[in-house]
Amino acid sequence: AQSVAQPEDQVNVAEGNPLTVKCTYSVSGNPYLFWYVQYPNRGLQFLLKYITGDNLVKGSYGFEAEFNKSQTSFHLKKPSALVSDSALYFCAVRVSGNTGGFKTIFGAGTRLFVKA
Amino acid sequence: GAGVSQSPSNKVTEKGKDVELRCDPISGHTALYWYRQSLGQGLEFLIYFQGNSAPDKSGLPSDRFSAERTGGSVSTLTIQRTQQEDSAVYLCASSPQSGVGAYEQYFGPGTRLTVT
Repeated sequence: AQSVAQPEDQVNVAEGNPLTVKCTYSVSGNPYLFWYVQYPNRGLQFLLKYITGDNLVKGSYGFEAEFNKSQTSFHLKKPSALVSDSALYFCAVRVSGNTGGFKTIFGAGTRLFVKA
Repeated sequence: GAGVSQSPSNKVTEKGKDVELRCDPISGHTALYWYRQSLGQGLEFLIYFQGNSAPDKSGLPSDRFSAERTGGSVSTLTIQRTQQEDSAVYLCASSPQSGVGAYEQYFGPGTRLTVT
């Protein structure tokens, strides 16, 4: 079955430290992978995506993610965390739909807490 | 408008009543999604429209749920005979399928539905 998994419900890091939010996927064919962020009391926002090309993709707010085909992973990273990065992060993958097209499914989300 | 809009922003209804939720996508976006999010949890896929193709309804939780997209633009999600477990935030997103921003979803602010 096509799926996306975020194994950590919550990640805690200290401000200034590097952060990683994990994501693994299972799809048929070449994956289209995405990260979205939901700040408190705000809507979901696109962060970055991998479609093809360089395995390391850079996105908004200093975030980046590395596509690893052999490990079927797409972990989100940032070299130095900020308190303002505290939010709910969603990994997503484009999968085959039931009507011949494609749809996007989301992981369960990982809550990131950055402590000052 | 500049972004995806949804109305109403909040809806309180009595159990057993029907409700209609509206989504105005970004002009030119051919794909439109509906999701449900409960209590800051993950996103549950409901339905997906892509151009003139048949919608992917595989995520609708019961036959009380239905959605339409008229003229390839505005979409309405209808919930009949609402139940308390339908209480959630209903999110709409639209996406271009080509060009800059392809496959990136732009989310509306959501409709918070409370069934009493």
